[in-house]
Amino acid sequence: GDSVTQMEGPVTLSEEAFLTINCTYTATGYPSLFWYVQYPGEGLQLLLKATKADDKGSNKGFEATYRKETTSFHLEKGSVQVSDSAVYFCALRGSSASKIIFGSGTRLSIRP
Amino acid sequence: GAVVSQHPSWVICKSGTSVKIECRSLDFQATTMFWYRQFPKQSLMLMATSNEGSKATYEQGVEKDKFLINHASLTLSTLTVTSAHPEDSSFYICSAELVSAGAQETQYFGPGTRLLVL
Repeated sequence: GDSVTQMEGPVTLSEEAFLTINCTYTATGYPSLFWYVQYPGEGLQLLLKATKADDKGSNKGFEATYRKETTSFHLEKGSVQVSDSAVYFCALRGSSASKIIFGSGTRLSIRP
Repeated sequence: GAVVSQHPSWVICKSGTSVKIECRSLDFQATTMFWYRQFPKQSLMLMATSNEGSKATYEQGVEKDKFLINHASLTLSTLTVTSAHPEDSSFYICSAELVSAGAQETQYFGPGTRLLVL
């Protein structure tokens, strides 16, 4: 079945460092790919998404490119801030289903 | 736009009691809503898909008699944890699907309900 594998955390970086959180997926057809963020004590928020190969999703300085050849959707940010500290979830939705399948989540901590 | 609310935001109950959690789409209608469960420091696990006017579809391993889902209107779905036990303590999150003409469906998530069963 469909699945998402993402980089295990926790990840700790200094402010202004470059961030990469790896995510790969297994799915039949052409799934839509998502990154969600969960700030402490809050629910999930959609950070960005891509619906077809080579699409780049971007928001708040974060980017991820849908790579079908490597079945990947890595999250990147050029310069992280303390306020980016949160748990990040990579997710997919299959081309023929509504349900979203989540990765295990990566906790990110940014130190000043 | 596209706001989903949950009520209550947290609840503490005694073992053996039932707890009802509401999920509302505030500014759109949602034929389909989803219920997830999240354990501490873990990912979200889909429990069931709630369809307005019909029975919910439960994921494998989820007891439908324990987790009762009702989706009586296009803006409200409820999850009732019946005869709750300490192992049911968790963070329950709902999402509602917004279908836009000419665009792919988008799920919007509620803020979650933290349940603690003593």
